[in-house]
Amino acid sequence: EIVLTQSPGTLSLSPGERATLSCRAGRSVSSNYLAWYQQKPDQAPRLLIYGASRRATGIPDRFSGSGSGTDFTLTISRLEPEDFAVYYCQQYGSSPWTFGQGTKVEI
Amino acid sequence: QVQLVQSGAEVKKPGASVKVSCKASGYTFTSYGISWVRQAPGQGLEWMGWISAYNGDTDYAQKFQGRVTMTTDTSTSTAYMELRSLRSDDTAVFYCARAKGYCTNGVCFGLEPFDSWGQGTLVTVSS
Repeated sequence: EIVLTQSPGTLSLSPGERATLSCRAGRSVSSNYLAWYQQKPDQAPRLLIYGASRRATGIPDRFSGSGSGTDFTLTISRLEPEDFAVYYCQQYGSSPWTFGQGTKVEI
Repeated sequence: QVQLVQSGAEVKKPGASVKVSCKASGYTFTSYGISWVRQAPGQGLEWMGWISAYNGDTDYAQKFQGRVTMTTDTSTSTAYMELRSLRSDDTAVFYCARAKGYCTNGVCFGLEPFDSWGQGTLVTVSS
């Protein structure tokens, strides 16, 4: 099982600031099959990034993903009020398809 | 547009079973699989397993092996997840999500992320 560790647990920032979220895998993620999801309270998760760096349909370009192997990063260049949420990374290349524990981005 | 619509909230007693449905529309059901994800109150996302809508191959997380069964009905484009022997710590929101993958020689692999999700089904286990 590939364990994903996200850091920090909570990120306290203001609108307009840059957010950098980290996801570290216990072993290499095959084919960079690493995704990022955003979840707001009482909503289902929404796919933001897949393949480590590809934005999903309709996702604003202030969201970007980078990394390979075991170290991945989600960057939100300028936080908008609607970006305050919990973010999860996930590897979907090999079973079991694991999630990180989440990073909460709060004001 | 792709839509996954789940069945409504359930209240169950410990030891009972629950079966949650997930009706898909807006795409060719048999071209994808369905994953199920559990989220306990205030907790993170936990992958439970995956089923191919093409051939019924399944891949269950070890934690749920023996207690979960995932099925599909291609005539209605609906996926089902049944969880048995419910405990209080099974209280959670259960999500279905569209996911493409495949299995070979008993080992399963993902190909695409979870790009569409159901709205979630709250299952409460309480005596």
